[in-house]
Amino acid sequence: DGGITQSPKYLFRKEGQNVTLSCEQNLNHDAMYWYRQDPGQGLRLIYYSQIVNDFQKGDIAEGYSVSREKKESFPLTVTSAQKNPTAFYLCASSGQGAGELFFGEGSRLTVL
Amino acid sequence: SQQGEEDPQALSIQEGENATMNCSYKTSINNLQWYRQNSGRGLVHLILIRSNEREKHSGRLRVTLDTSKKSSSLLITASRAADTASYFCASEGNTDKLIFGTGTRLQVFP
Repeated sequence: DGGITQSPKYLFRKEGQNVTLSCEQNLNHDAMYWYRQDPGQGLRLIYYSQIVNDFQKGDIAEGYSVSREKKESFPLTVTSAQKNPTAFYLCASSGQGAGELFFGEGSRLTVL
Repeated sequence: SQQGEEDPQALSIQEGENATMNCSYKTSINNLQWYRQNSGRGLVHLILIRSNEREKHSGRLRVTLDTSKKSSSLLITASRAADTASYFCASEGNTDKLIFGTGTRLQVFP
């Protein structure tokens, strides 16, 4: 089945550690996005990529890094520089600009 | 903040009633989209309305758009318990990025 797969679903991290969240899509979409969602809040854009080997910062990129070496994959690293990393992270893709987005099931990161 | 706003923040209704959610956004748009999110899950796209459209229907969903007021509404008719979820609007402007609203939590009681 075509879709977006995020892993892991749940992740616990100690302060000072970097963690990488995986996002893979088999929809042949050019654009991919990472969003952060805090409890009871909307989505805020962290990074996005319109094409392989290129990506742009979103509204809250500080403390995060990404790569886009393959069309199918857009991993997000939450670095130790992110002051408040506990959140629900959502990956999405779209076929044409920012038209309809297809979302993964999310990864919940908790910093202990 | 560029985030749009939705109201109400929370809405509780009985099965069979209609649910109306409103969304306001801040900049000129190419389109506005509505998404649904079940608790702890990813978002699912419901409907897209373009800036030159005023109303759109999809099944039990009816969306209106008023670009002069920078607002949109989502109506769910004859609601069901399975409609219980959070609903988000998202506006696309000239930057090709979607800006999401803060969401409405809908609870439909059987």
